[in-house]
Amino acid sequence: AQTVTQSQPEMSVQEAETVTLSCTYDTSESDYYLFWYKQPPSRQMILVIRQEAYKQQNATENRFSVNFQKAAKSFSLKISDSQLGDAAMYFCAYRSAGYGNKLVFGAGTILRVKS
Amino acid sequence: NAGVTQTPKFQVLKTGQSMTLQCAQDMNHNSMYWYRQDPGMGLRLIYYSASEGTTDKGEVPNGYNVSRLNKREFSLRLESAAPSQTSVYFCASSRQGFDNQPQHFGDGTRLSIL
Repeated sequence: AQTVTQSQPEMSVQEAETVTLSCTYDTSESDYYLFWYKQPPSRQMILVIRQEAYKQQNATENRFSVNFQKAAKSFSLKISDSQLGDAAMYFCAYRSAGYGNKLVFGAGTILRVKS
Repeated sequence: NAGVTQTPKFQVLKTGQSMTLQCAQDMNHNSMYWYRQDPGMGLRLIYYSASEGTTDKGEVPNGYNVSRLNKREFSLRLESAAPSQTSVYFCASSRQGFDNQPQHFGDGTRLSIL
C-alpha cells in the first residue's frame, strides 16, 4: 500500500517570504498523480496544485510551485511571496492511476504566516 | 454552483445511536468518496463508489455502511455509534476515467459521539 509522509507538523513564514513544505511517498507504481490540498480554518479542502508522475516538468500555479523528484519519491510545495491568507493546514496526497481514483493523504503541515 | 453538499454540518450522538450522513453532488461525477479526518492523521478513506451501482471498502470501513442511492447521492451510515467514531467526515466526488482531475470536497460534518 502507498504511504505519504509529511515530516513537518508545523511551519512558520514571514509575510512576503518563501516557504517550502516537504512530502515524501512510498510506492512501487510508476504511473500516479500527486496533489497538494489546502485546508483553512473554514475546513474546506481546496486544491492547490497537481502533478502527473509521467511529466518531468514541475507544476506551477501562480505563487505555488512544486519540486517533484520521482527517483527520490519527493514532492515538496514552495509558496512564494507568502500572504496571510496562505495560513492553513496543507495536505500532500497520492493517487494511483486507473480505476477508483482513491487518494492517500499525509498527516498534514500547519502553516502559520507572520505579519 | 453548489458542488458537493453534506448534511448535517454538526451532530452530537450518544453511544449506540444510529445516524446517516448525506452527501449530494451536482457536477455529474461518477465517483464518490467518504473520508474521516482525525487530528494528526490526515484524511482516511472509509468507503468509495467508483461508479453508480458499486461500492468498495477503503482503509477504515469498520462500523460504517454506505449506499450509492443514485449518481448524485452517496450516504454514510453509522449503525451503532461509538466514541472512536468522533471525527470530521468529508464527502468527495470526481470524474471517473480522468485521473488527473481532482476530487471535489464537501465542507465536512463534525460528528461527536458521547
